[in-house]
Amino acid sequence: SQTIHQWPATLVQPVGSPLSLECTVEGTSNPNLYWYRQAAGRGLQLLFYSVGIGQISSEVPQNLSASRPQDRQFILSSKKLLLSDSGFYLCAWVEGETDTQYFGPGTRLTVL
Amino acid sequence: KQEVTQIPAALSVPEGENLVLNCSFTDSAIYNLQWFRQDPGKGLTSLLLIQSSQREQTSGRLNASLDKSSGRSTLYIAASQPGDSATYLCAVGAFNYGGSQGNLIFGKGTKLSVKP
Repeated sequence: SQTIHQWPATLVQPVGSPLSLECTVEGTSNPNLYWYRQAAGRGLQLLFYSVGIGQISSEVPQNLSASRPQDRQFILSSKKLLLSDSGFYLCAWVEGETDTQYFGPGTRLTVL
Repeated sequence: KQEVTQIPAALSVPEGENLVLNCSFTDSAIYNLQWFRQDPGKGLTSLLLIQSSQREQTSGRLNASLDKSSGRSTLYIAASQPGDSATYLCAVGAFNYGGSQGNLIFGKGTKLSVKP
């Protein structure tokens, strides 16, 4: 069966520090992968999606970036965090046969 | 631009009641519609997915309907239980340039509390 992992589970970082969040999927190949952010009082916002290695599409201009170095690995990064980057970051993949989107457990990021 | 709205934002019911959660969307050209459940501090769990050609889907005590022409979907929960307490999110699947599923556009959710 397929499993999606995210780490770390929680992170507290100072403003201006770098960021690296990792997402990996097991049990499938060539999945479409997504990064979302859920900020307090707001809905889920799609940040990036990837249909394959090295293929990244950005939905929202910001100081974040994403990379997909391997088929089942998706990384979210920042060179300098802002206070507004605080939120709950969720990685997801789409199951091709049913189009169902499955989510990871999330990373709670607090920027101080 | 597709917008998804969920009403009410919060709902509190006594255990055993049947209830309906509402979702509306502005653009009827959708690929599919998915309902999720989110427990506090957790990721999302997929509940039901309705393809654009379908009218409803059922899973246990849950039934989701879709009316594309009116831009509406409902999630019906029968015989609610305290364990159903969570935030329920509706998401509309857009088309991508190739005609298959693109991105999901989410509503802000309905926070459900079922009192014992």
